[in-house]
Amino acid sequence: DSGVTQTPKHLITATGQRVTLRCSPRSGDLSVYWYQQSLDQGLQFLIQYYNGEERAKGNILERFSAQQFPDLHSELNLSSLELGDSALYFCASSVVDYGYTFGSGTRLTVV
Amino acid sequence: DQQVKQNSPSLSVQEGRISILNCDYTNSMFDYFLWYKKYPAEGPTFLISISSIKDKNEDGRFTVFLNKSAKHLSLHIVPSQPGDSAVYFCAASGNTNTGNQFYFGTGTSLTVIP
Repeated sequence: DSGVTQTPKHLITATGQRVTLRCSPRSGDLSVYWYQQSLDQGLQFLIQYYNGEERAKGNILERFSAQQFPDLHSELNLSSLELGDSALYFCASSVVDYGYTFGSGTRLTVV
Repeated sequence: DQQVKQNSPSLSVQEGRISILNCDYTNSMFDYFLWYKKYPAEGPTFLISISSIKDKNEDGRFTVFLNKSAKHLSLHIVPSQPGDSAVYFCAASGNTNTGNQFYFGTGTSLTVIP
């Protein structure tokens, strides 16, 4: 157990639907990062939150959004899902900007 | 735009031999580099790091070499063990115009043959 908790572990949904992925960071970590790992790409950075505020944005589609709540947990919302959104979604947390602890990921399958 | 590249998707090495995993980057602002190891169905775990003020960092069987002029780093595992079989990601970070987040390579799947 890395201390970063992601739920659910697996998710199967249909195209056009909306899902929410949840991440609880390691205790004391203020930064939360979301990454997408698909078959032909490495870990693609999506977005970072620091203490409730958006800190940096990467290759995140407009159909995707995220937020970090006062208790520091974060949610990644994926809407109008397409087949190509099927991937592993990782959350990571850190105290500062270096050295991440990753969660075990959520495997999303869009059918 | 892939700023960190691992051009070898897979590598097979005999147990006891050296494994060399390579990584190239394009952004000269990157100044901190990590290697992560990932087993199936698990999140990546930190393996070893190096900052740009050094050209080598060693931790047990793992050594990372950094060649800043070539924008290249490599991970050496000596001797390789079957338990090292995993996907290895390199990652780079620096004070870029998009923040300090890490950029990851696509990974190299290492198989160590007993």
